[in-house]
Amino acid sequence: DTGVSQNPRHKITKRGQNVTFRCDPISEHNRLYWYRQTLGQGPEFLTYFQNEAQLEKSRLLSDRFSAERPKGSFSTLEIQRTEQGDSAMYLCASSLAEGGNQPQHFGDGTRLSIL
Amino acid sequence: AQSVTQPDIHITVSEGASLELRCNYSYGATPYLFWYVQSPGQGLQLLLKYFSGDTLVQGIKGFEAEFKRSQSSFNLRKPSVHWSDAAEYFCAVGSGGYQKVTFGTGTKLQVIP
Repeated sequence: DTGVSQNPRHKITKRGQNVTFRCDPISEHNRLYWYRQTLGQGPEFLTYFQNEAQLEKSRLLSDRFSAERPKGSFSTLEIQRTEQGDSAMYLCASSLAEGGNQPQHFGDGTRLSIL
Repeated sequence: AQSVTQPDIHITVSEGASLELRCNYSYGATPYLFWYVQSPGQGLQLLLKYFSGDTLVQGIKGFEAEFKRSQSSFNLRKPSVHWSDAAEYFCAVGSGGYQKVTFGTGTKLQVIP
């Protein structure tokens, strides 16, 4: 169990630029989640995959955001035309699907700063 | 909709003292409940979870939590706090199915010598 890996750890970019983050889940986990965490808040759910299928998207996920998990393994989260309000920590988590009560294991996140 | 309330934003305790962090949840069915800990700049680490059965659950690092359905609470406790416990603690509630998890706003714990 090597844990959930996220890259990069930090990203600084200018407003209006596009950014892409990567998440590598724990290898046997077929569920993958993206969350956003702003200062002083708990993580907020963005989207969820089971294998390669994106099964739910939060209303927080505007049309500038897109997430993919093309082969059911790693996932990417892209933000287009970044805005100041996108500055946050983006967290990825993974879990097993079997049993319906498997806890989510989190990566260390990607901190995005918009200049 | 499910929700979690952590009424204490900051708590300060002396090293060696006991600790209780409060958590109240709102969920229509039997909840799945979690406590996570987050150190600055890091992701979240699972401390313990409750799905069913014994309402007193033991976790890692000497933490325990008690599920009280009548009070819709899931408070986290530790009998003797160590300086390394200083971090932010998040209570969370999950629904069945794909385990959509809703987090509270967190309680920041400061430990003084």
